[in-house]
Parts: sequence; C-alpha cells; structure tokens
Amino acid sequence: DAKTTQPTSMDCAEGRAANLPCNHSTISGNEYVYWYRQIHSQGPQYIIHGLKNNETNEMASLIITEDRKSSTLILPHATLRDTAVYYCIVHPTGNQFYFGTGTSLTVIP
Amino acid sequence: NAGVMQNPRHLVRRRGQEARLRCSPMKGHSHVYWYRQLPEEGLKFMVYLQKENIIDESGMPKERFSAEFPKEGPSILRIQQVVRGDSAAYFCASSPPGRGPNMNTEAFFGQGTRLTVV
Repeated sequence: DAKTTQPTSMDCAEGRAANLPCNHSTISGNEYVYWYRQIHSQGPQYIIHGLKNNETNEMASLIITEDRKSSTLILPHATLRDTAVYYCIVHPTGNQFYFGTGTSLTVIP
Repeated sequence: NAGVMQNPRHLVRRRGQEARLRCSPMKGHSHVYWYRQLPEEGLKFMVYLQKENIIDESGMPKERFSAEFPKEGPSILRIQQVVRGDSAAYFCASSPPGRGPNMNTEAFFGQGTRLTVV
C-alpha cells in the first residue's frame, strides 16, 4: 500500500509556482522520495527524487523536511503543459514503484 | 521516457484471442516493470523482471497472464484468452543494472500499449 498522502487536486495560475505537498510520515531511513507525473494517460514521466537534501533539476525542485516526514515538489513557473497527475512515491517499497492516486494539478490560463 | 519503446501502441483483440505486448527497455537497462492502468484508474504494478528472471509477479493475475524478459530481445507481456475486462493501458518501465528496486534508481516509462477487447 501507498505510504504517501497527497491532496486530490490543486489549481495553479499559469506563470506562478506550483507547490505540491506530500506526507510520508512512515518513511524509513533508506527510502527515497520520488516524483512522477502522468499527462493525459501518457506514460508516467520521471521528475525528480531525493533522500534528505533538497534537490533541483531542470524540471523542478524537491524540498524535503528535516524529519523527512513530508516534502514539496515545486514547479517554479507553471505552464499549461504542466497540467497532469503528480505522484509522490516512497521507494524502495518492495519491488515496485507504488503509484497511489496522486494530485491532479490544473494550470489555469 | 522516449527511450523505452512499447509496441504496438494500440491493439484490438476479440474475446478469446491472445494479446502480446512488447517492451524494449532503454539501452543498457536490464530491469523491466509492467504496470496496468484501467480506464479512469491508477497504475497498478504487475510484474518486475530482470534478464531471464521473474523477480516479483505479485501483481499478475493468476491465470492467462505471463511475462518474460529473455536474454536477447524485448520483454513480452502475454495475455491469453482475453476478456473485455483486460481492456486497459499497459505500461512498461526500465531501470539500469545493478541499481534494482532496493537501491537508488529511477525507472523510465514507455508510452504504453492500449489494449481494447471487443
């Protein structure tokens, strides 16, 4: 079962930062936090992952709290093409990446 | 993402026929995952394979479904005697060798095969 909790849906104005929260209060020491997104039934797209330090790449930033019980994915300047379902995944959990229900992000013009 | 190739992209089968879905992992990747996504639902894990070995098939239906990842060639997900309930999108993902599920690694997904059973 999923070890993460995410809001069901969020809206964000185009050009603004989108901040997507995730709770993972039972995360263990060797588990990473991964973020994927799925745009309109395409294949899931890897975004970013981290262990305990904040991470940044060309797509997004990942902020992980010091106690590692929650994290936030930040899309700094959301565009309409960022409308998607975003999945926060704690891994490894067994032999799979467990996709829960995710957050449906809608970027509004 | 574009590196994992799945074919066909769309597959239509009549009830009772067999469906074969192919997945070519990214170059150098030796770990393959299969997921199924029913209409309006989330992604469900089916099976995890390494070259010539099934590591975890806990998500596979007990009957009619099988998967393989031979030493040479793509991974194959095979569904025998398809039924309407098998209609779904089937996604394959791959990850590099030596960086399996208990290690820090990311998996890259293909664009899926959409199976329709009529």
